[in-house]
Amino acid sequence: SQQGEEDPQALSIQEGENATMNCSYKTSINNLQWYRQNSGRGLVHLILIRSNEREKHSGRLRVTLDTSKKSSSLLITASRAADTASYFCAIPNNDMRFGAGTRLTVKP
Amino acid sequence: DAGVIQSPRHEVTEMGQEVTLRCKPISGHDYLFWYRQTMMRGLELLIYFNNNVPIDDSGMPEDRFSAKMPNASFSTLKIQPSEPRDSAVYFCASSPGVGLVAFFGQGTRLTVV
Repeated sequence: SQQGEEDPQALSIQEGENATMNCSYKTSINNLQWYRQNSGRGLVHLILIRSNEREKHSGRLRVTLDTSKKSSSLLITASRAADTASYFCAIPNNDMRFGAGTRLTVKP
Repeated sequence: DAGVIQSPRHEVTEMGQEVTLRCKPISGHDYLFWYRQTMMRGLELLIYFNNNVPIDDSGMPEDRFSAKMPNASFSTLKIQPSEPRDSAVYFCASSPGVGLVAFFGQGTRLTVV
């Protein structure tokens, strides 16, 4: 099993700006998933990207995957105060492990 | 489906007491995960089950921790005896299959005094 490593650890931006966070991993993957956690709540799945996909969109979210660099990025466009949360990537095998996450703060 | 249901939502107990956390996964999901989250250690995978069978319990911190899944709709995580350092938020999650999306419960906030 493996877990992704998110970067940066923390990110603070103004409302309306874009937020980009990255995930790096070590071995080959079948898919990579991004989750959001609002303070004190359970994680919520945002988007899944398969190893044969390079980019995926969902509303204001855009995820890219570069398997040659073993990295993924999550872009949130036109951020809102409600996007304030921690964001995690996961590389599921039989298990599901998470890194330390990126703590995003969007200031109104 | 109501999602993954955990109980209780909050638990305050005295050191040395037994604590039992409960989880009802989403019906039809074959995988169940237990996690512990603290500021210091982040989100740790404690144990996971496949079709009610424990597959990997290497994340269970000590023998004081035990988990069971007697049937497909119920799992427990027990700490006996509890210690202050066990204070954390414990999450249960379920997934329909290998590599698929995990659905989390709302967590149990445990405080051991």
